[in-house]
Amino acid sequence: GAVVSQHPSRVICKSGTSVKIECRSLDFQATTMFWYRQFPKQSLMLMATSNEGSKATYEQGVEKDKFLINHASLTLSTLTVTSAHPEDSSFYICSARDGGMGSYNEQFFGPGTRLTVL
Amino acid sequence: AQSVTQPDIHITVSEGASLELRCNYSYGATPYLFWYVQSPGQGLQLLLKYFSGDTLVQGIKGFEAEFKRSQSSFNLRKPSVHWSDAAEYFCAVGANQAGTALIFGKGTTLSVSS
Repeated sequence: GAVVSQHPSRVICKSGTSVKIECRSLDFQATTMFWYRQFPKQSLMLMATSNEGSKATYEQGVEKDKFLINHASLTLSTLTVTSAHPEDSSFYICSARDGGMGSYNEQFFGPGTRLTVL
Repeated sequence: AQSVTQPDIHITVSEGASLELRCNYSYGATPYLFWYVQSPGQGLQLLLKYFSGDTLVQGIKGFEAEFKRSQSSFNLRKPSVHWSDAAEYFCAVGANQAGTALIFGKGTTLSVSS
């Protein structure tokens, strides 16, 4: 099956710093990537949808200036948490949709990134 | 509104016993349905999916799920649970449209007792 990687898997940073998380599709071209956030013992909440070469679409309540998303190529999307604060600590998961798989909306999930802001 | 409901927050099953996790959905279009499993601190692993055709779908690790359109349900089952099945299970629904994300239920935590 298709593989999606995330880097780093775990990051600890000081309050006020920025953190970049990478999401890569390793063996397919991802026309669309999604970023989710998961709080402990909670479900995945969609943060934004990014399409290669265009601006990301953010869900209501997600600050686009705080969570910068770039989808510069068909295999890479990045999420930058700017001026991170402790309340941004969470598990961030990306998923990628294989544009080559016809009409099925199957998404492949990365392993997630645990962000801890001190 | 589009939503996925997993009524059971936490279920405990004895090892070797059968399992059924419930999932109900509300979706305006033809739903594509998924079950994922997540171990602590890990990403999501796809157990099975339903797009069309046979309403009883087989997945990995001995899991199966049945799509019942009349009940808007997609319950996950396993005839004999193993201790390694203890994890968080998420039901999700999506659409056959480019650029649409999945909608997840809140998840069901499965504990397996010996």
